[in-house]
Amino acid sequence: GAVVSQHPSRVICKSGTSVKIECRSLDFQATTMFWYRQFPKQSLMLMATSNEGSKATYEQGVEKDKFLINHASLTLSTLTVTSAHPEDSSFYICSANTGRGMYEQYFGPGTRLTVT
Amino acid sequence: LAKTTQPISMDSYEGQEVNITCSHNNIATNDYITWYQQFPSQGPRFIIQGYKTKVTNEVASLFIPADRKSSTLSLPRVSLSDTAVYYCLVGDYGGSQGNLIFGKGTKLSVKP
Repeated sequence: GAVVSQHPSRVICKSGTSVKIECRSLDFQATTMFWYRQFPKQSLMLMATSNEGSKATYEQGVEKDKFLINHASLTLSTLTVTSAHPEDSSFYICSANTGRGMYEQYFGPGTRLTVT
Repeated sequence: LAKTTQPISMDSYEGQEVNITCSHNNIATNDYITWYQQFPSQGPRFIIQGYKTKVTNEVASLFIPADRKSSTLSLPRVSLSDTAVYYCLVGDYGGSQGNLIFGKGTKLSVKP
């Protein structure tokens, strides 16, 4: 089956620094990847849609200059949280779409970001 | 994308059948119904998808009435490991974006 990995699984950083999270589709090419954020005891919230070779599409209320997304290849998308603050502490999850339909979407294991 | 409504939480005991119902009154003709399972600190996992009537796979069944305004996920003989949050999503199978909008989900607690 399709596998999506994320790295790192956990990261702790100081306020004001930047953190990069990688999302990889291991055994398929993903034309589209999605980034979600999940706060404790809440549902997943879509942050942005990442398309290979083009600019990401951000959801309303998500700062594109703070959450930089790069989808340089069909198997890799990165999310960089710039100038992180404690309120950015969350669980970040990516998913990859095989392009064969909505449900053909596979989720990564998530990255726990803690900003101190 | 159609909005969904699910119970916030459900309790069950090991060995019982659990049915979780989702309402989606404004489902569109092209929309499919998909259920995901999420364990704490993990990404969601696809369970089952259907368009109408009944769909069954090795882990669950999905019942969809003729008007498609609701659906019921059925988990046969649950175990402790089925304790998780279950999300019902409705959207266009062939949508160009394919992004999934998650509702609040149903937290299922299975007790021994």
